[in-house]
Amino acid sequence: EADIYQTPRYLVIGTGKKITLECSQTMGHDKMYWYQQDPGMELHLIHYSYGVNSTEKGDLSSESTVSRIRTEHFPLTLESARPSHTSQYLCASSETSTGDTEAFFGQGTRLTVV
Amino acid sequence: GENVEQHPSTLSVQEGDSAVIKCTYSDSASNYFPWYKQELGKRPQLIIDIRSNVGEKKDQRIAVTLNKTAKHFSLHITETQPEDSAVYFCATHTGGFKTIFGAGTRLFVKA
Repeated sequence: EADIYQTPRYLVIGTGKKITLECSQTMGHDKMYWYQQDPGMELHLIHYSYGVNSTEKGDLSSESTVSRIRTEHFPLTLESARPSHTSQYLCASSETSTGDTEAFFGQGTRLTVV
Repeated sequence: GENVEQHPSTLSVQEGDSAVIKCTYSDSASNYFPWYKQELGKRPQLIIDIRSNVGEKKDQRIAVTLNKTAKHFSLHITETQPEDSAVYFCATHTGGFKTIFGAGTRLFVKA
């Protein structure tokens, strides 16, 4: 079934650890996004990508990096996790080659940094 | 920079009443305006959208209106039900570039 998948769903790690949050979509979408969201609160754009080898920073990106080597895969890496990174991370994708369309969101990764 | 203002931040209505959420945007080049619903503990999902060449769109109990001159668009929910309780986000797109979301409206429907 075409969808967008995030792993892990939940993660508890110690301060200073390096982590990678995985995101894959099987819809063939060109555009992908990472958002940070505290439960029920505003969506903050961290990074986005127009396609393979294209990445752009959002409003909240200074402490993380992304890569887009394959169309379907858009991992997010935190080089050194801090308690302030505790939040939910949502990956999304959309198709824009024929005009703007809706964004499909993954189930999210709930990260806790202790 | 571009921004989207969404009001109110919290809305409480009685079951059966109507609910209206409004968004104002700054980028006149915006051409696609989706609305997303996020239930507690779940991911945001599209409920309705409208493009810049249309002034109004309706889907059963929900409708969206767009005023391009004033740069605002609104979500209307009629005959609200408890399952409409959620956080609603408006968004704007500009020619395939960055999506901008409003801050969200928490809707409570009291039975």
